[in-house]
Amino acid sequence: QVQLVQSGAEVKKPGSSVKVSCKASGDTFSNHGDYSINWVRLTPGQGLEWMGRIIPSLGITQYAQKYQGTVTITADTSTHTTSMELSSLRSDDTALYFCARGHNGGYFDYWGQGTLLTVSS
Amino acid sequence: DVVLTQTPLSSPVTLGQPASISCRSSQSLVHSDGNTYLSWLQQRPGQPPRLLIYKISNRFSGVPERFSGSGAGTDFTLKISRVEAEDVGVYYCMQTSHFPPITFGQGTRLEIK
Repeated sequence: QVQLVQSGAEVKKPGSSVKVSCKASGDTFSNHGDYSINWVRLTPGQGLEWMGRIIPSLGITQYAQKYQGTVTITADTSTHTTSMELSSLRSDDTALYFCARGHNGGYFDYWGQGTLLTVSS
Repeated sequence: DVVLTQTPLSSPVTLGQPASISCRSSQSLVHSDGNTYLSWLQQRPGQPPRLLIYKISNRFSGVPERFSGSGAGTDFTLKISRVEAEDVGVYYCMQTSHFPPITFGQGTRLEIK
């Protein structure tokens, strides 16, 4: 069983940056080298949006074009933690952010509990 | 990008009755390896999404048998044979056959009449 535990809610001002973390426990990175950690956000207007992913064992990242240049995803295999940094925040970045494990069978089998980001002046 | 269109967007259902949600893709979801990476997620109120079905019709561990998935190519369906109160929430289809980006349907809200 895998658990993904995310960092707590954040309130940020427009133009600033935020870093959200996702710590895995249980079936850790070292046991399954070819899975990914994905970042997905949920907004009332857009629904679920995939932002990008990292394969922690390889350090390979991929991003949705919309988030190229504003999102950076990193992984620390020693602490089983993945982080997503979002820069140049705008009010429409206010959303619930999830991390999710991507299985090599093409599905997201475990999800973090979500981190609420509020961007407001 | 692959666009997934779900219908209906809202589905009021009587307890014990069946429910069905459709997901139509803008292009075939058959991957070059022959698999079709279409899955279904459930998001209960206040909870993160939860995997129900993967590769069209495979139930994930712990998912009740009343949930089933079917379809091929561009047209897919999630069926609940007899809706229970705990099934209330939003259901999403999701594809990983052609990415980046991974894309989701817009969601279908299941509610009890």
